[in-house]
Amino acid sequence: DTGVSQDPRHKITKRGQNVTFRCDPISEHNRLYWYRQTLGQGPEFLTYFQNEAQLEKSRLLSDRFSAERPKGSFSTLEIQRTEQGDSAMYLCASSLENQPQHFGDGTRLSIL
Amino acid sequence: QQQVKQSPQSLIVQKGGISIINCAYENTAFDYFPWYQQFPGKGPALLIAIRPDVSEKKEGRFTISFNKSAKQFSLHIMDSQPGDSATYFCAALTQGGSEKLVFGKGMKLTVNP
Repeated sequence: DTGVSQDPRHKITKRGQNVTFRCDPISEHNRLYWYRQTLGQGPEFLTYFQNEAQLEKSRLLSDRFSAERPKGSFSTLEIQRTEQGDSAMYLCASSLENQPQHFGDGTRLSIL
Repeated sequence: QQQVKQSPQSLIVQKGGISIINCAYENTAFDYFPWYQQFPGKGPALLIAIRPDVSEKKEGRFTISFNKSAKQFSLHIMDSQPGDSATYFCAALTQGGSEKLVFGKGMKLTVNP
């Protein structure tokens, strides 16, 4: 039973660099979500895909953030010109409509 | 604005005791209320969930109580075990749209042996 897979698990980068994360959802799930979790907080919604279409983006998602889900399979989240405030755990979840969301173990981003 | 408020922030119980976590929500459009358990370095894992047409749901040692009029729901963990030590999040969503989850801030549970 393959769950949601995220890569890399940890990313350390210097301020101003670009980073890209990958999420592989559960294979039959058509919905894919990105959340951000900072220390001591619950996850916060960033964006959502149904198949390959990005249908909703949070106001948290600044212009420096972009997400894609080509062919409705895996997804990538890119952050350009990283800032200290981008340090967080980036979580991916997938689901079918009206079904529970299953989360990956996240990518922890640290900005030096 | 915090749409889902969770309390307490932390809890320490003895093995065999009952752990109770409370949540309150504001948005009456929410119609699905899951609880997630998160261990350090791991993603949240679904524990149990309830819809507002029922007042209580039990799965093993875990029970959700739901009070629609008060817009409150709670998780009870019976016979708490050291392996239950984790952070617990309540959440809410509205089905039919994006179904994005709105989480509480979490409660760190420590169960002493």
